[in-house]
Amino acid sequence: AQSVTQLDSHVSVSEGTPVLLRCNYSSSYSPSLFWYVQHPNKGLQLLLKYTSAATLVKGINGFEAEFKKSETSFHLTKPSAHMSDAAEYFCVVATSGTYKYIFGTGTRLKVLA
Amino acid sequence: DGGITQSPKYLFRKEGQNVTLSCEQNLNHDAMYWYRQDPGQGLRLIYYSQIVNDFQKGDIAEGYSVSREKKESFPLTVTSAQKNPTAFYLCASSIWDPGQGQPQHFGDGTRLSIL
Repeated sequence: AQSVTQLDSHVSVSEGTPVLLRCNYSSSYSPSLFWYVQHPNKGLQLLLKYTSAATLVKGINGFEAEFKKSETSFHLTKPSAHMSDAAEYFCVVATSGTYKYIFGTGTRLKVLA
Repeated sequence: DGGITQSPKYLFRKEGQNVTLSCEQNLNHDAMYWYRQDPGQGLRLIYYSQIVNDFQKGDIAEGYSVSREKKESFPLTVTSAQKNPTAFYLCASSIWDPGQGQPQHFGDGTRLSIL
């Protein structure tokens, strides 16, 4: 069975400091992994995706994530936080042949001035 | 520009009333999905559809119904049997087979409240 655990429900960082949002997954087969961002009262926007081509994935707005099979992790990072990064972030896993995208419960990122 | 349009943005339901949420996409995607979002619970799948005239229940289908008469449209009806309908509803679409790295595209949601 597939599952996703986002290890922090809330993360606070100061503007200009690095961001780390943690995600661990469980999947029986080679997974596809995604990170999405959601601003208040909006839909989800794709930040990046992993599909086994490269373990370090670069996304939009300076975000990147590294797939570590041995640790079953797919943590999202950004070198320098911007005020506009304040939002909720979702880690998602999917496995070929299934209909499901499995969502984590989200991490709310707060950026302090 | 291609995308997903959900309407209305805000909706209020009276006791015993059915309400319908609209979802239209012009991305030419085969698969469409409805999710319910409650604070701190992530997204929960209500219904999904792989192709026209076919749809499947998700994890929390009770009290909801859908139709898929056109590729572009996947309306969701919240029936009076859904006793706790207050939530943010998100529609999504994708090329089929999530496991092949096909991401979902989301609409901007409909917020449903009880009067």
